Amino acid sequence: NAGVTQTPKFQVLKTGQSMTLQCAQDMNHNSMYWYRQDPGMGLRLIYYSASEGTTDKGEVPNGYNVSRLNKREFSLRLESAAPSQTSVYFCASSDSRPSYGYTFGSGTRLTVV
Amino acid sequence: RKEVEQDPGPFNVPEGATVAFNCTYSNSASQSFFWYRQDCRKEPKLLMSVYSSGNEDGRFTAQLNRASQYISLLIRDSKLSDSATYLCVAFTGGGNKLTFGTGTQLKVEL
Repeated sequence: NAGVTQTPKFQVLKTGQSMTLQCAQDMNHNSMYWYRQDPGMGLRLIYYSASEGTTDKGEVPNGYNVSRLNKREFSLRLESAAPSQTSVYFCASSDSRPSYGYTFGSGTRLTVV
Repeated sequence: RKEVEQDPGPFNVPEGATVAFNCTYSNSASQSFFWYRQDCRKEPKLLMSVYSSGNEDGRFTAQLNRASQYISLLIRDSKLSDSATYLCVAFTGGGNKLTFGTGTQLKVEL
């Protein structure tokens, strides 16, 4: 089925470890996004890529880096994980027409101990 | 002040009831609005777009009031399967970014 695929679904890291969250979409969408969701805080934008070859900071970019590898793939890297980065991470994509909204991946549950 | 604000609830209603949620937004430049549904431990999914003229999809009706900067969602004849968190969302242009409210939790009971 067409959609947004995120890997891994679950991950436990120790403080200071690094990891990359992978995201791929097969809908030929131009824009891709990384959000984190925390209780009481809602979805907060970390980084986004309006089109292939561009990336921009969102609301909470500190501690993260991203790579738009090609039109399909947008990865999120934690260089030195901290307990404050324990969260659920969602990748999403959209075409250039916002009235169609976003399609989200199923999420990555990350725990940093 | 958050850009999109919602009452977190929970709203506990009996099956068959009509329930309404409101949401306010602070950025008058917001262009488009949406309601998303999020089931527990799942990803958000688009429920419906919200237009100035109002729009209806089955048991669901969405309204936009630009003068007062609020959006509403009305659910008629609630079903147990409607239990979820409903996210109010605003689009303000520039990079196709959406701003999400924190959500309103609905619990439909027998």
